[in-house]
Amino acid sequence: EAGVTQSPTHLIKTRGQQATLRCSPISGHTSVYWYQQALGLGLQFLLWYDEGEERNRGNFPPRFSGRQFPNYSSELNVNALELEDSALYLCASSFTGTSDPYNEQFFGPGTRLTVL
Amino acid sequence: SQQGEEDPQALSIQEGENATMNCSYKTSINNLQWYRQNSGRGLVHLILIRSNEREKHSGRLRVTLDTSKKSSSLLITASRAADTASYFCATDVRGSQGNLIFGKGTKLSVKP
Repeated sequence: EAGVTQSPTHLIKTRGQQATLRCSPISGHTSVYWYQQALGLGLQFLLWYDEGEERNRGNFPPRFSGRQFPNYSSELNVNALELEDSALYLCASSFTGTSDPYNEQFFGPGTRLTVL
Repeated sequence: SQQGEEDPQALSIQEGENATMNCSYKTSINNLQWYRQNSGRGLVHLILIRSNEREKHSGRLRVTLDTSKKSSSLLITASRAADTASYFCATDVRGSQGNLIFGKGTKLSVKP
């Protein structure tokens, strides 16, 4: 069974540009989560999508946005890139997004975004 | 905000030894999950332990959970050089909206 996939592996952008990151969940999973792992800041929750709807977002500005498509894949958009957006962006998926004992999240390999 | 705090921050052992990592958290949880990350790559899911479970095993891994102390431990027995990685605990907080809250991780180095 294929795991969570993300593309691209690496992305280099300049300040002010926009970045689009993509994620395909494990087959059968309806929930997709985005996390940012910046140096020295640990893993921070960004966004949660379930059944095509944004269910929750972390403490990030509105220039971080995304969507989930009917096939449950998702994309994360970061507008007006800043130097501190440089990080590893990780996508995870689970069967259900409800906060219950079965919210087991499986992660993809990540996209390394570098902002110059 | 950080919910889980792993300890130690770094651990260096010889191949064949056991490695124990601890995680403490602050609020009530539905479950706690342990992950491994190799050199800034994706997270590998190791084990999930539910709040009503006290111990769980998976191969060379043993996880315990003490909800009264709000702590968990991950034991890797007979460690191998390939176990060298960062290990994170993540809590699914009761009443939260789906996201996991991660600790800062323990960096394990297993020397051959």
